[in-house]
Amino acid sequence: EVQLLESGGGLVQPGGSLRLSCAASGFTFSNYAMTWVRQAPGKGLEWVSAISVTSVDTFYADSVKGRFTISRDNSKNTLYLRMSSLRAEDTAIYYCSKDRRSAVAPAVSLDSWGQGTLVTVSS
Amino acid sequence: QSALTQPRSVSGSPGQSVTISCTGTSSDVGVYNYVSWYQQHPGKAPKLMIYDVSKRPSGVPDRFSGSNSGNTASLTISGLHAEDEADYFCCSYAGSYTFVLFGGGTKLTVL
Repeated sequence: EVQLLESGGGLVQPGGSLRLSCAASGFTFSNYAMTWVRQAPGKGLEWVSAISVTSVDTFYADSVKGRFTISRDNSKNTLYLRMSSLRAEDTAIYYCSKDRRSAVAPAVSLDSWGQGTLVTVSS
Repeated sequence: QSALTQPRSVSGSPGQSVTISCTGTSSDVGVYNYVSWYQQHPGKAPKLMIYDVSKRPSGVPDRFSGSNSGNTASLTISGLHAEDEADYFCCSYAGSYTFVLFGGGTKLTVL
């Protein structure tokens, strides 16, 4: 059974930094592209970032480009999202998700999701 | 780039069919056959229901079907069940620059 377990969320001040982790199990992590999607309270889903199996290719939404960094450690079956210069509008539940494909594009066939970790940016 | 456009809400009675539309542009829905649909119950993670416009993952009932025409994709749910009541989000690949867009979501109410 595929399991994705996010951690690292919490309360952070504007301008601060946070690193999210996603521990994967139940599948060969190194064979699949991975994606972060977020959802602000009471709002819709927003794609954040995607990474290829080898980490060579990474993609970001304009809203986080230059502030967030996606990475992965295939030896640890773990996906990361380093977030810096955080803003109030970054407040959301952050979901880690597995793609059906190994290719990073088109990154829209997300067949497994974690339960999410809440990030709150507030002073 | 703006999100894909979905109706805020739709409703239907048990056994009826409903269709949720997802309107994009010639830069996303209209050019790529990479549209997916997600179901989300309150407090839960999204679940993939349709990918590549019309394909169903294993375990998704065949009451769920997808299609597209021009710049608009559609999700049709036939024979509504009470448990289908949820939020539904469409998602499309949008090329190597914008990459991925989600729709704003549609709340399905089963009357």
